[in-house]
Amino acid sequence: SYVLTQPPSVSVAPGNTAKISCGGNNIQSKSVHWYQQKPGQAPVLVISYDSDRPSGIPERVSGSNSGNTATLTISRVEAGDEADYYCQVWDSSNDHYVFGPGTKVTVL
Amino acid sequence: QVQLVESGGGVVQPGRSLRLSCAVPGPILRNYAMHWVRQAPGKGLEWVAVISFDGNSKFYADTVKGRFTISKDNSNNTLYLQMSSLSAEDTALYYCAKDHEIQLMDSWGQGTLVTVSS
Repeated sequence: SYVLTQPPSVSVAPGNTAKISCGGNNIQSKSVHWYQQKPGQAPVLVISYDSDRPSGIPERVSGSNSGNTATLTISRVEAGDEADYYCQVWDSSNDHYVFGPGTKVTVL
Repeated sequence: QVQLVESGGGVVQPGRSLRLSCAVPGPILRNYAMHWVRQAPGKGLEWVAVISFDGNSKFYADTVKGRFTISKDNSNNTLYLQMSSLSAEDTALYYCAKDHEIQLMDSWGQGTLVTVSS
């Protein structure tokens, strides 16, 4: 089965840029989706199909996918960006949906 | 954003069964695949199951296959997750979520908590 890896945590000062990686074997061949989850809340889709922003997601949030790593980038980080972030792909080999283990973003 | 409302969670003994429900707007349930995703306390998201828009295709995570059954009732606008042979490892907040193009989940409910404990 397909496995995704993420760093457990990322710390960033306000105004700086946070980069969250999502690793997987030849992940560039898959579409990667990203979810933000704040404490006590349901996940929210923030990036779909590697780099598309759903309505309402600020332009500060962007995504990319190349080789074995997809990346979620949050520019000009704000206190409100503090959350857990999960990457997710669809594994067409078995019609399963796979989540990464999640990355906790802490705003210093 | 689609309003999805889960119910049916609670405390259940190991080995017993429980059925979760998710109220889904009719046009959504009839036209989109739907998922169940769970999150154990303090842990990450785990996909559980998906049912196609027509109900003819169902897929399950290996951890629940053979024990859980996903279904839906279009006349009742409800998505279900029948869970059997429950163990402590099934303790989690269970979310229902709307599928988008068999790729991702674009709307989520607030979840219903299942606790498996004697």
